[in-house]
Amino acid sequence: DQQVKQNSPSLSVQEGRISILNCDYTNSMFDYFLWYKKYPAEGPTFLISISSIKDKNEDGRFTVFLNKSAKHLSLHIVPSQPGDSAVYFCAARSSGSARQLTFGSGTQLTVLP
Amino acid sequence: ETGVTQSPTHLIKTRGQQVTLRCSSQSGHNTVSWYQQALGQGPQFIFQYYREEENGRGNFPPRFSGLQFPNYSSELNVNALELDDSALYLCASSLVGLAGGGRETQYFGPGTRLLVL
Repeated sequence: DQQVKQNSPSLSVQEGRISILNCDYTNSMFDYFLWYKKYPAEGPTFLISISSIKDKNEDGRFTVFLNKSAKHLSLHIVPSQPGDSAVYFCAARSSGSARQLTFGSGTQLTVLP
Repeated sequence: ETGVTQSPTHLIKTRGQQVTLRCSSQSGHNTVSWYQQALGQGPQFIFQYYREEENGRGNFPPRFSGLQFPNYSSELNVNALELDDSALYLCASSLVGLAGGGRETQYFGPGTRLLVL
């Protein structure tokens, strides 16, 4: 039972264009959503998060959108740069005491120069 | 500010053996969570330690156990290793306030790659 899904295993985008990574979830009890970026041989690096009471959060080139009615979130990267090439994980945080993260399976983003 | 560190970076064990993985949390953090990441999948929550006690557990058997020390560092112990335990083990630290709640973003270490033969 996958509570967080990233249906696109890979995405290729031209440098300078917009990258849009998508994520769907099923559990209405998640209270925060986060995006992490992971390079090979490194741990996930926190990028940006959004509270379940918001619908948009922006940080520089990164914007996360949350559509609660559709249980969908997306990460927009504008403009995309070759250094953005990595695996991107969507994660949802449980509202219980452990605040555990439930991750999607990741999307490999490749930004072509 | 020191980030999350983990040791060892790589480890090879045989089926049935026991393993201990170590994690030092980011300075100022008081909570450690452990995750298992199998190849091609996202990290899966194993358990979390807060104030030296287990504070939540994912769907992992009791042979996965842990400890948190007064300096907030942590260990993950796995007994009776199975081939399917081969994975990247990630430790994440966060700061949980006394009243709980808040953003409590988890910051990850580089992981320990465990191979069980």
